Parts: sequence; C-alpha cells; structure tokens
Amino acid sequence: DTGVSQNPRHKITKRGQNVTFRCDPISEHNRLYWYRQTLGQGPEFLTYFQNEAQLEKSRLLSDRFSAERPKGSFSTLEIQRTEQGDSAMYLCASSPSGETGGGEKLFFGSGTQLSVL
Amino acid sequence: SQQGEEDPQALSIQEGENATMNCSYKTSINNLQWYRQNSGRGLVHLILIRSNEREKHSGRLRVTLDTSKKSSSLLITASRAADTASYFCATAPVPGANSKLTFGKGITLSVRP
Repeated sequence: DTGVSQNPRHKITKRGQNVTFRCDPISEHNRLYWYRQTLGQGPEFLTYFQNEAQLEKSRLLSDRFSAERPKGSFSTLEIQRTEQGDSAMYLCASSPSGETGGGEKLFFGSGTQLSVL
Repeated sequence: SQQGEEDPQALSIQEGENATMNCSYKTSINNLQWYRQNSGRGLVHLILIRSNEREKHSGRLRVTLDTSKKSSSLLITASRAADTASYFCATAPVPGANSKLTFGKGITLSVRP
C-alpha cells in the first residue's frame, strides 16, 4: 500500500499565474476527492470523482478551478489566474466505493501547500 | 459549510491524562468519523461510528455517538506527547444524498510531557 501521493508538496507562485497539482490515489480506490484547507480550519470539499466521472463540485470551486481524472486513475487540479485568496493546503483523498451514498473512510495525501504572492 | 463543530477549540493536558473532545452536528448522518492531523500533513482516519452504533473502541480511543442529541465524543486515554495534533470530526450524509464527508474546524490537542 503506497498511499495517496500528491505533487508538488509546496508551490509558490505569483498572482495571475496558473498552477496544476497532481494526485495519485491508492490504486484500487475508485473514488477521489479534492479538499482545501486554510490555517485553523477544517478541510472544505471542492469536488469528487467516481472513476473518471466528476460527480459533484462545490460552489467554492469557481470557474478558475478545474479538475480532471482522465482514466480514472490519477487526478489533476488546475487553478487559473491565481489570487492571493487561493493560498491554502490542497488535499487529495481516495476511498473504495462501498455503500450507497458513500461515507467510507478517506485516505488522505500529505497535501500541496500553495502560496500565492 | 461545516456540519460538525468540535468543542473545545483547544485542549492542553499532561501526559498520562485522558483527553475528551466533543463534536456536534446539525443534520441526519450515516456515520461519523474522527481524523487526526499533524502539523503540515494530511489527515489520518482514526475511527468510524455508524448511526446505529452508540459506542466503539479502538486501542486507546473510545468514541460515542448520541443521534438524539446529534453529538459525538472522542476519548483518548493515557495520552502521550505523540498524541499532540489537531483532531477533526467528519459526518457522512445518509445514503442517497451526496457522498462527501463534511469536516468540522478541529480541536488542537497539546499533550505536555
């Protein structure tokens, strides 16, 4: 079990630049989630995939954010025209599909810390 | 929006003491989970309790769930300095609703050696 892998671990960018993060979930997990966490807060849901299908997106996910999971394996999260308010830890998690409605335990990666200057 | 609210926000105890953390939530749930996060790292799942369960144990962890009060508590017995971390409760919606877990703001636990 290699766990959930996220790259890069840290990203510093200038306002207005585009950034892309990658997440490699646990191989047999078909659900993949993106969360965002700011200092002193809990993770906030952004979006989730069942295999390659993006099933839900939060209202937090503005049109500058896009996520893909092209072959139902790894996923990318892109932020275009970054703003200082995008500075946060971006967490990826995966889970096996199980009972209807989800709610299985999540396996998290170590996150990508984004700093927008 | 955050479904769970943990209490207290911060807790400082001496090594060997027990730590009790509480979580309240608003809507019906399928299960409730507790996670731990060390500074700058991802979250690690600790324990899951289903809506039809009242108490569950795992090692030094004991979690209770009271669905009538919409609350849960996490007890860590015989705490160690290595238990120092942030702890989050997360609620899973009833089946048929959206599948995401919703996290609270977390409790910062400091265990003094």
